[in-house]
Amino acid sequence: QQQVKQSPQSLIVQKGGISIINCAYENTAFDYFPWYQQFPGKGPALLIAIRPDVSEKKEGRFTISFNKSAKQFSLHIMDSQPGDSATYFCAASRSPYKLSFGAGTTVTVRA
Amino acid sequence: GAVVSQHPSWVICKSGTSVKIECRSLDFQATTMFWYRQFPKQSLMLMATSNEGSKATYEQGVEKDKFLINHASLTLSTLTVTSAHPEDSSFYICSATVGSGSTDTQYFGPGTRLTVL
Repeated sequence: QQQVKQSPQSLIVQKGGISIINCAYENTAFDYFPWYQQFPGKGPALLIAIRPDVSEKKEGRFTISFNKSAKQFSLHIMDSQPGDSATYFCAASRSPYKLSFGAGTTVTVRA
Repeated sequence: GAVVSQHPSWVICKSGTSVKIECRSLDFQATTMFWYRQFPKQSLMLMATSNEGSKATYEQGVEKDKFLINHASLTLSTLTVTSAHPEDSSFYICSATVGSGSTDTQYFGPGTRLTVL
C-alpha cells in the first residue's frame, strides 16, 4: 500500500514556466516531508524539505506548500529551466524512521 | 557536507556469483543507513535498514539470506547480493541519515548499477 500518492506521473513545461507536483499522504504521524531530484543513472539528491509546523518553504526557485488539514503538499518550480528536467520524488516519514516515497514525476522542460 | 559514496558505480557479473556493494558516508558518521533498489522508471523500494553493530532490519518480501547487509562502522555499510540471478539486475542505492530525532536528514549515494548475465 503506497503511503504517499504523487501526481502527475509526468509533465512538460516551457522554459520559464511553473512546474507543479502534488503529493498526498494518509499517515498523520508523518512529520518530515522532503523532495528529491533524480537524474538518469544517479542517486536522488535532496532538494528541499518541510516540517508540518510551517505552511510554506522557499529555497531559490523551489517552493514547498504544505496543507496539514488536507494532508497534501506540493512542489513548485518557478522559472523552470532545461536543467530542471529530471524525475522528482516526494517522500514522507515519521522522524527518524524510514521514508515512504511517492511514485515519481518526470519533468521535461522545453527550451 | 553530507556526502555518501558507493562502490562500484556499476558491475556486471555472471549468474550464480556474489557481488558486494559498499556504501560510505565520507564526511559524517551515519547513525542509520538504508538500502534501496530501483527498477527503470519506478520509485525507490526500501530493502533494509541497518544500524552500526546490529543486524539489519529487512522489509517484507526481501530475502535476508540473499541480500546480506553488514554495517561494520558508522561510515561503512555493505550489501552483498549472493548467488545473483538476472532478476537481481537493478539499480541499488544506499542512503545515510545525518542528525538525530526530528532533525535527521537522509542523503543518498550515487547508486550502483548491477547487471547479472
